[in-house]
Amino acid sequence: GQQVMQIPQYQHVQEGEDFTTYCNSSTTLSNIQWYKQRPGGHPVFLIQLVKSGEVKKQKRLTFQFGEAKKNSSLHITATQTTDVGTYFCAGQNSGYALNFGKGTSLLVTP
Amino acid sequence: SAVISQKPSRDICQRGTSLTIQCQVDSQVTMMFWYRQQPGQSLTLIATANQGSEATYESGFVIDKFPISRPNLTFSTLTVSNMSPEDSSIYLCSVEDPGTYEQYFGPGTRLTVT
Repeated sequence: GQQVMQIPQYQHVQEGEDFTTYCNSSTTLSNIQWYKQRPGGHPVFLIQLVKSGEVKKQKRLTFQFGEAKKNSSLHITATQTTDVGTYFCAGQNSGYALNFGKGTSLLVTP
Repeated sequence: SAVISQKPSRDICQRGTSLTIQCQVDSQVTMMFWYRQQPGQSLTLIATANQGSEATYESGFVIDKFPISRPNLTFSTLTVSNMSPEDSSIYLCSVEDPGTYEQYFGPGTRLTVT
């Protein structure tokens, strides 16, 4: 079955440094979604990527979907303490439920 | 996005008992999902609940242990039956936007089994 691998598992940065998390699927995806989960909270939808090679930006966050639609990345520029949390990617094939990666926990030190 | 509520938000239960978790959505949705998230772990899909049909369970999860109801397009329940400490986890329901396939999560139910 479809597997979604996500790295790194943890990342500790100083405030102002950049951060990237990577997601790879064993199969071609119809779309990939990214979620953020704050400590003690529930996953909150960030974005969905659908097209091959798609790049989307949300303020300091940049999301990319690979040309083969099997990998994706989330890059945060100049991290802030409010970026702390776990970032999950979740791959989907049409008509099937989301398959979540293990997540990357980001810690930002002021 | 849909607004989703869950009850209870947390509970502490004794081994061998059962707990029913409710999920209420503020709009009609076709696809609802139940996930489990153990502390510090990712989300694992338990089952997909569509209104008017039997829930579809993922590998490792069975209906006798996790019976699901989906009586209408805005409500679902998940029961954790004959609980053991290994069932201690956060249980989350989610709904899918039918046009975009984006999923939105409820706040979760934190279950502790003693």
